[in-house]
Amino acid sequence: DAGITQSPRHKVTETGTPVTLRCHQTENHRYMYWYRQDPGHGLRLIHYSYGVKDTDKGEVSDGYSVSRSKTEDFLLTLESATSSQTSVYFCAISDSGTGRENIQYFGAGTRLSVL
Amino acid sequence: AQSVTQPDIHITVSEGASLELRCNYSYGATPYLFWYVQSPGQGLQLLLKYFSGDTLVQGIKGFEAEFKRSQSSFNLRKPSVHWSDAAEYFCAVGSPRGSNYKLTFGKGTLLTVNP
Repeated sequence: DAGITQSPRHKVTETGTPVTLRCHQTENHRYMYWYRQDPGHGLRLIHYSYGVKDTDKGEVSDGYSVSRSKTEDFLLTLESATSSQTSVYFCAISDSGTGRENIQYFGAGTRLSVL
Repeated sequence: AQSVTQPDIHITVSEGASLELRCNYSYGATPYLFWYVQSPGQGLQLLLKYFSGDTLVQGIKGFEAEFKRSQSSFNLRKPSVHWSDAAEYFCAVGSPRGSNYKLTFGKGTLLTVNP
């Protein structure tokens, strides 16, 4: 999976609990992304980062925050998890250079269940 | 805003038969186009991409796709399907302009292969 590690791979938590998912890359790529995947919706972008401490919202960012203090790590936090955030979460990375920014490589995913 | 439509939610083919998965996009100019494949429990793997030039692009695992500007389509094809091709396939569009490197994904087509 292109030097991308997501942790944990599976998590079960309770409503109202804070949850942090981690994406770690060894490729030194500039861009990092968090998606969620739900049946019938495909992949939807939550947040993305275009450099250390540079982040922006995607189409489904409500209830999520992110941080990127190092090139290799991109954290996704659910401040107070809700059942609607039960999903599979994917991290992706892309390099910089003409066209290469658009070629995204994906991690193996984190399956999160909020009870 | 860019968008992607995959008209077929689920397709079933017999092993050895030919395959065509449809993808239509909406974008103001020629976009970057991608096909990804996802096996059960896995992340997404890039099959092929189109940036410019020859409208017929070859990818991994014997897949190819053809960009047709007049039809706003980027259909994926394979002449002879193998049982290992059973997976979900996602078409995606990216923007060659500006600093927006986000991809927009279709909702996916699930491929079942009968022996």
